[in-house]
Amino acid sequence: KAGVTQTPRYLIKTRGQQVTLSCSPISGHRSVSWYQQTPGQGLQFLFEYFSETQRNKGNFPGRFSGRQFSNSRSEMNVSTLELGDSALYLCASSLADGNYGYTFGSGTRLTVV
Amino acid sequence: EDKVVQSPLSLVVHEGDTVTLNCSYEVTNFRSLLWYKQEKKAPTFLFMLTSSGIEKKSGRLSSILDKKELFSILNITATQTGDSAVYLCAVRGLKTSGSRLTFGEGTQLTVNP
Repeated sequence: KAGVTQTPRYLIKTRGQQVTLSCSPISGHRSVSWYQQTPGQGLQFLFEYFSETQRNKGNFPGRFSGRQFSNSRSEMNVSTLELGDSALYLCASSLADGNYGYTFGSGTRLTVV
Repeated sequence: EDKVVQSPLSLVVHEGDTVTLNCSYEVTNFRSLLWYKQEKKAPTFLFMLTSSGIEKKSGRLSSILDKKELFSILNITATQTGDSAVYLCAVRGLKTSGSRLTFGEGTQLTVNP
């Protein structure tokens, strides 16, 4: 059974650019959540998608957005990149309600220069 | 706002020692508490504790949940160098819809030979 797949693994962008990250959940999982991990703030919740609808959102500016497709794959987009956006972005997939836990992908390491 | 506090933040032990990691939490509409092990990138699921499952054990690892005092502990007996990692505690509450995980800062465990 394939795990959660995130692409790309590494990204280097310059300030002001935008970036799109991708997450393919475990087959059959319909919920995808995104987290930002930094040394100072730890793991922080960005948003959660279920059946192509955002049903939960963390405290991040509007530059962070996402979407989910009918096959449950999800993308997140960060526009007008800032140096502080440098982080490991992790996605987690779960069955509909998370009652059986969450499985994380290996993440995308974004560096903004 | 949901909150998770882990202690200690860092711990150095010798192989064979037993360690206890602590996690206290405040969460609205508690649903579950989860423990993860993070070695490089992807947090790896260890346990999920709920109101109906307050003790879990897997090999040398075990965890309990005290819903009254709002804390959990993760025990690792006969530690090995392969146990060196960051151990993350997270709680899941149920907001108006959907769910999110709130993470603690993590405990950096180093097991020396």
